[in-house]
This record gives sequence, C-alpha cells and structure tokens, in this order.
Amino acid sequence: DQQVKQNSPSLSVQEGRISILNCDYTNSMFDYFLWYKKYPAEGPTFLISISSIKDKNEDGRFTVFLNKSAKHLSLHIVPSQPGDSAVYFCAASAGNYGGSQGNLIFGKGTKLSVKP
Amino acid sequence: KAGVTQTPRYLIKTRGQQVTLSCSPISGHRSVSWYQQTPGQGLQFLFEYFSETQRNKGNFPGRFSGRQFSNSRSEMNVSTLELGDSALYLCASKGWAEAFFGQGTRLTVV
Repeated sequence: DQQVKQNSPSLSVQEGRISILNCDYTNSMFDYFLWYKKYPAEGPTFLISISSIKDKNEDGRFTVFLNKSAKHLSLHIVPSQPGDSAVYFCAASAGNYGGSQGNLIFGKGTKLSVKP
Repeated sequence: KAGVTQTPRYLIKTRGQQVTLSCSPISGHRSVSWYQQTPGQGLQFLFEYFSETQRNKGNFPGRFSGRQFSNSRSEMNVSTLELGDSALYLCASKGWAEAFFGQGTRLTVV
C-alpha cells in the first residue's frame, strides 16, 4: 500500500519554462511534506518542505503547494534550468509537524529532464 | 559542519554471505534512518534509530537488522544475502524536520 504516490515517472521540460512535479498521499496523519532531488550515485538532497498548516512555501525558484483536501502537493520550478535535471522525490511524515518522531515515507520519484 | 558519512561506498558480496554497513550522522543528530533504493521502487524505509533504540521499522524481513551506538553512529546488517538485496543503501540523519542523506553504499550481490 503506497502512502505517497508520484504518478509520473518522468517529465520533460524546455529550459526557461515551468516544471510542475506532482505528488499524492493517502495518509491523513501526514503533516509535513518534503521534496528531495537526487542525482545518480548520490544521496538525495533536501530541496524544500511545507508543514500542513501552510498551503504554500517558496524558496527562490522552487515553490511547493499543498492542497490538504485533495491530499495533493506539487513542486513548481521556475524557470527550469538544465542543471535541474534529476530525479525528484516527494516525502511525507506524521507527527509534530515534521518533528523528530516521524520517519519519512517517500514516493517512487519523477525523473525531470530540462532540455536546453 | 560535516555531513552524513557512509562506508563503504561500494561492496560486492556473494549470495549467502552477510554484510555490515556503517553510517555516521551529522553531529548533534540523534535520529538515523536507513533506506533501500532499487530501480523503480524509490526509497523504501528500512528502520529508524533514535538514541540507540529502534523507533520505527519498515516492511523488510528479519534478515535486515540495525543498531545505533551511544555516539549516534549506526550500522545495518543484512544476513544470508540474496540477489534481490542488490541496491543502493542510504542512511539519513535527522534533526528536527529535514533528513540529510549520505552518499549511500552500493551493494551488489553476485
């Protein structure tokens, strides 16, 4: 039973345009959500997070939107750059709004390719 | 501030053998989690240790085990290796909210 789902295995976007990566979750106890970026043969790198008490969090070119009623979140990258090409993982945790109690549950990832 | 260190980076083992992987978390972090990554399966949660106690466990057979020492360093052990255990094993060090990952150990079982 997959609690965190990334239904698009891959996404291709032109440089300079917007990349939108989507993630759905089923566990209503999740209260903290994160996005990680992963290059081959490296560990995932933390990108941006959002607590369930918010519906938007922005950090430079990266914005995460959370729709709790739909149990859906998305990561927007604007403008997309070729260096953004990587696998993006959505993750969620339950307990204390990201506090030390909750382990992270990951989706299967979406491979983003940004073409020059 | 040093990051998460995993050793070794690469390992080749034979079916039936056992293996031990090591992880040193970020200084001050008491939570260490282990994940298995295989193609098409994403990052699957193995277990989490906090202050030397296993706090959460994923859905893996008992051949997978771990421990955490008083200095927060953690080891995971896989006994009776199977071909399907070939994967990238990632360790994550967690402070309050975000988890920070090491480079991983690439285990190949032949």
